[in-house]
Amino acid sequence: AQSVSQHNHHVILSEAASLELGCNYSYGGTVNLFWYVQYPGQHLQLLLKYFSGDPLVKGIKGFEAEFIKSKFSFNLRKPSVQWSDTAEYFCAVNAQTGGFKTIFGAGTRLFVKA
Amino acid sequence: GAGVSQSPRYKVAKRGQDVALRCDPISGHVSLFWYQQALGQGPEFLTYFQNEAQLDKSGLPSDRFFAERPEGSVSTLKIQRTQQEDSAVYLCASSLLGAGGPLSTDTQYFGPGTRLTVL
Repeated sequence: AQSVSQHNHHVILSEAASLELGCNYSYGGTVNLFWYVQYPGQHLQLLLKYFSGDPLVKGIKGFEAEFIKSKFSFNLRKPSVQWSDTAEYFCAVNAQTGGFKTIFGAGTRLFVKA
Repeated sequence: GAGVSQSPRYKVAKRGQDVALRCDPISGHVSLFWYQQALGQGPEFLTYFQNEAQLDKSGLPSDRFFAERPEGSVSTLKIQRTQQEDSAVYLCASSLLGAGGPLSTDTQYFGPGTRLTVL
């Protein structure tokens, strides 16, 4: 069965620190990968996605993620976080062939101290 | 409004009551998804509509859960004889294109959710 694992449930950083949130997935076929973010009091929204091509994907607000197929990973990074990055981050995967499900990880709550 | 809307935002039900949760997707969006999000967890897929057709209902946890989208726009998720384990946030998302296959990269736009508490 498909699954998504996010290694850190809570992360606390100071402003300007670098961020890396881990995401591993379990699926044997070709996948699309997503990072969604939920800011306090707001809806879930797409941060970035990967489906083919360059495995280093750039998203909004300076975020990027790297797809490493051999490791089944899609880690999210940002070189210097801001207080406004405080949010919950969800990694998600769906299959490129067949099926309509998107599987989400349990989420990582990031708190950035000003 | 330009986004996905859901109503009610909060619902408290007594165990055994039936509830109906509404989703208004973005106008013109073909795909509509329902998710259940338990406390401290990520969204979990419930069902998928492409226009009025329910193409996947494999995530519905029991036959007490029923969803419809009769005219291919507004959707309703109905839960009969609610149980305490049904307490969760129910999220609706829509996307412009049909999902599945090459279209599965299409961005899903989420609503604010309905928080259901069953006492």
